[in-house]
Amino acid sequence: DTEVTQTPKHLVMGMTNKKSLKCEQHMGHRAMYWYKQKAKKPPELMFVYSYEKLSINESVPSRFSPECPNSSLLNLHLHALQPEDSALYLCASSQRGDNSPLHFGNGTRLTVT
Amino acid sequence: GNSVTQMEGPVTLSEEAFLTINCTYTATGYPSLFWYVQYPGEGLQLLLKATKADDKGSNKGFEATYRKETTSFHLEKGSVQVSDSAVYFCASNDYKLSFGAGTTVTVRA
Repeated sequence: DTEVTQTPKHLVMGMTNKKSLKCEQHMGHRAMYWYKQKAKKPPELMFVYSYEKLSINESVPSRFSPECPNSSLLNLHLHALQPEDSALYLCASSQRGDNSPLHFGNGTRLTVT
Repeated sequence: GNSVTQMEGPVTLSEEAFLTINCTYTATGYPSLFWYVQYPGEGLQLLLKATKADDKGSNKGFEATYRKETTSFHLEKGSVQVSDSAVYFCASNDYKLSFGAGTTVTVRA
């Protein structure tokens, strides 16, 4: 069982919809991450939060908007997505955001129609 | 920055065969090195790690040794099982985690 919980597991949305992905961890980790993974490819980093502050934005389009309400929760708000945004979205956490290993959730499989 | 190159698959083996997946890294500093495994329909799980030269990480029968002289972190398992079928990612963490392309391993009974 993963210690990082992501909801929903699957999401289908139209290009005009607004939806949110949610991620929760209770390991006391202070760094949280969003990754995007296309089929048969490695995960690509999108955002990093360190101590609840956005520390890295990998030039992600503004139709993706991250939010970190507290140290245990991480959201990704989606608006006006494109079909090419369809992918597996993975949340991860680590103790401090340095060289400590990442713990991943099982992801949300997003399909944009 | 750092980068990782790993042997691309797919790799198909019979049960009890020996598995090696090659991984080399480039880094400006002294990164920590990791192997992650992704089973079908799941996220990535940390398989093993090494934080300095000559460290050996091991877990579930898998091993990898941090070789600074060859900048390598090859993954090995002596006798694979069908349940080891998955995608394996080598990763290097200098200040940011960089993944290799991933190697799909299929073990046949």
